[in-house]
Amino acid sequence: AQSVTQPDIHITVSEGASLELRCNYSYGATPYLFWYVQSPGQGLQLLLKYFSGDTLVQGIKGFEAEFKRSQSSFNLRKPSVHWSDAAEYFCAVGADSWGKLQFGAGTQVVVTP
Amino acid sequence: GAGVSQSPRYKVAKRGQDVALRCDPISGHVSLFWYQQALGQGPEFLTYFQNEAQLDKSGLPSDRFFAERPEGSVSTLKIQRTQQEDSAVYLCASSLSTAAGGDLDDTQYFGPGTRLTVL
Repeated sequence: AQSVTQPDIHITVSEGASLELRCNYSYGATPYLFWYVQSPGQGLQLLLKYFSGDTLVQGIKGFEAEFKRSQSSFNLRKPSVHWSDAAEYFCAVGADSWGKLQFGAGTQVVVTP
Repeated sequence: GAGVSQSPRYKVAKRGQDVALRCDPISGHVSLFWYQQALGQGPEFLTYFQNEAQLDKSGLPSDRFFAERPEGSVSTLKIQRTQQEDSAVYLCASSLSTAAGGDLDDTQYFGPGTRLTVL
């Protein structure tokens, strides 16, 4: 069965420091992988996605993610976080041919001054 | 606005009441998804529509949950005889295409959700 694991429930990072959020997946074929961000009271917003090609994917708001098949990982990174990056981040895998998404449990990011 | 809208944003129901949650997708979007997000969890798939056809309802937790999209645009998620375990945020998402995510048209755009609290 497919699964998505985000090992870190909560991360605290200083403003200006780098950020890396981990995501591991279990999926039979080459997966479609996504990172979404959810701010309080807001809907989920797509940061980036991987479906083929270059394994380093650039997204919005300065985020990037790297697909590593050998490690079944799709970690999200940002070189320098801003206070506005405080939010919950979800990794997801495309679970069928119509686009159904299977989400991880999320990682809450807190940014300190 | 051009995004996905949902109403009401907040709903409080007494246990046993019926509720109806509305989703207005982006105009012209073919695909519509409903997800349930319990507190502290990631969203979980409930059901999928392609235009007016409900092609996947495997995630609906019980027969108390019913969804429809009669004209292929607005969708309603109905929960009958609500229970406390139904308390969650219900998210709606739409996408332009019917494919799995390999193209920009496949991107799912999410609404702000309806927070349902069952007392």
